[in-house]
Formats: sequence, structure tokens, C-alpha cells
Amino acid sequence: EPEVTQTPSHQVTQMGQEVILRCVPISNHLYFYWYRQILGQKVEFLVSFYNNEISEKSEIFDDQFSVERPDGSNFTLKIRSTKLEDSAMYFCASSEMGQGMEGYTFGSGTRLTVV
Amino acid sequence: GDSVTQMEGPVTLSEEAFLTINCTYTATGYPSLFWYVQYPGEGLQLLLKATKADDKGSNKGFEATYRKETTSFHLEKGSVQVSDSAVYFCALSRGSQGNLIFGKGTKLSVKP
Repeated sequence: EPEVTQTPSHQVTQMGQEVILRCVPISNHLYFYWYRQILGQKVEFLVSFYNNEISEKSEIFDDQFSVERPDGSNFTLKIRSTKLEDSAMYFCASSEMGQGMEGYTFGSGTRLTVV
Repeated sequence: GDSVTQMEGPVTLSEEAFLTINCTYTATGYPSLFWYVQYPGEGLQLLLKATKADDKGSNKGFEATYRKETTSFHLEKGSVQVSDSAVYFCALSRGSQGNLIFGKGTKLSVKP
């Protein structure tokens, strides 16, 4: 079964450093998403991406965050200057139709620890 | 705004016990409702869904019925197995935007 692949599975970084989280969505999917889950809290929507541009973003997704699809397969989330409160599990997801009615395919997540 | 509330965990059951995980939602309009499952070390997997009132989603022995009158989507399974041990997330999505709003998750542990 096709998978969404995320790397690395765990990233430790110092506060103020830049991090890039990588995702390879399912090849025929056109819609891409990032969600995050702070330990013990809800899974929260960050951003959706379609046709090489952001289609929607939450209030969490401020100027410190950016997304990019640098080639035909990768989808990245960059945090420019990490803060302690950015520590969370980050999930990438993709969907074929871009409709929440059908659900998405999620990756297994990257655990980001900011120290 | 829209929200999802799940019963607090963890839930610990013996094998073959009956499972209910409660989920209620607040939303305008008619959201689609989902249960996702996260097995240890893995990503979120769609378990089942329902897109309109009175729909019943089912998969792997799990069921949930979209109840508009009680704004609920409770997850049930008649006989759980050790392999069902995971974290279960209730979620909703409105319209064409498709962004998911999740509950906090309920951890289920099934003992042999």
C-alpha cells in the first residue's frame, strides 16, 4: 500500500536553529498538509498546499514557518528559528482529491525536540 | 469554533471485552466525521468515516454511527484484541476545505 514517508523520525535541535522536516507524499496525490501534535495535546492543522502554493494556514503557521515542494516528490516544512514551544510531533499528510470527506494518508511523523 | 471532545484515557481492557470510546463534536453545518488510529511508532491511519447523519462507518470490526441529534460519533468494537492497542483519534472535517479538527486521542491498552 502506498505510504507517506517522513524523515528524520527524530530531530533534536538547539533553540534558534533552523530545521527542515521532509516528507515524500504518495506519488499521485496533489494535496499536501502538515499537522503537529504537542505532547499530550491535540493534533493541530498547520498548513495545506496545492498547485505549488499554500491554500490555507492556521494561526500557528506564522512567519517562522514555510513550506516548499522543491522537486516532484518532496514536500518540506522549514522552521526558521526554532523555539522551545516548537517541540512536537510533526505529521505530513497527502490526499488525492483534497477533500476532507475522504480522509488523508499520514506519515509516521517526525518528533522535533528543541533544547 | 468547531471542536471535538473525546473521552479521556487511558482505557485498559481485557481481550474480548467490549469497547466504547465516546466522541462528541461541535460544528456548524454538516461535517464529515472520522476515526483515526495510531499504532505504536506509526502514523495516523484512517480507521473509518461517515459523511452524513445516520451513516455508519465500519472497518476491522470497529463501528461508529453519525448521530446528528446527539452530535456524537462513538467508536465501538464488540471484542477487542491485543493488536487493537493504539491511540484512537476522533476528527471532523467541514466542506471542501478538508482540514481536520482532531480530538485529544484516547489510548487503548488491551491485555491478554
